[in-house]
Amino acid sequence: DTAVSQTPKYLVTQMGNDKSIKCEQNLGHDTMYWYKQDSKKFLKIMFSYNNKELIINETVPNRFSPKSPDKAHLNLHINSLELGDSAVYFCASSAGPLGKYFGPGTRLTVT
Amino acid sequence: DAKTTQPPSMDCAEGRAANLPCNHSTISGNEYVYWYRQIHSQGPQYIIHGLKNNETNEMASLIITEDRKSSTLILPHATLRDTAVYYCIVRPIIQGAQKLVFGQGTRLTINP
Repeated sequence: DTAVSQTPKYLVTQMGNDKSIKCEQNLGHDTMYWYKQDSKKFLKIMFSYNNKELIINETVPNRFSPKSPDKAHLNLHINSLELGDSAVYFCASSAGPLGKYFGPGTRLTVT
Repeated sequence: DAKTTQPPSMDCAEGRAANLPCNHSTISGNEYVYWYRQIHSQGPQYIIHGLKNNETNEMASLIITEDRKSSTLILPHATLRDTAVYYCIVRPIIQGAQKLVFGQGTRLTINP
């Protein structure tokens, strides 16, 4: 059983387009996250939602808009894609101080 | 943010114990020590965490010094599948969320 799943796994699109990445967790966790891993392999937190409420927003451009329809889902919508948005995006979830469970990642390539 | 220092790379023979050090001399009292790893092309994987006491689970052991300024992750019998980048992170819990900041980690290579 997949704990944290993301779709799509790969996404290739042109500059200026709008795209969404979906994330679902079946662990019953209250908190979900989006991370970005750039070409230098640095992982940076972007957002965190706890019970559908935004609690961490790491000065991400407002072209990025997370949406949490319920506590098992946290989707990421990106408007007006730029070349610098190319990265691997990871969704994750956690419960309290326990460790985070990460999804397999979505490799976004903007051309 | 409490900073961590890890060696950039380490090698270990298959079947031997891999001991990965981490310095976190500025850690504060409410910060946990977390270890994650990232196998190539996969999402990060949680390994273990601790606050003060040593911890052990099915994957690894975490040894935290008494002053909490450093820790060691021990993989008791390393296998080739343990080759990965290992991240040591210290962070508090904020309103139910973990704001983990990943550094460069240690690239551990297990050799046959």
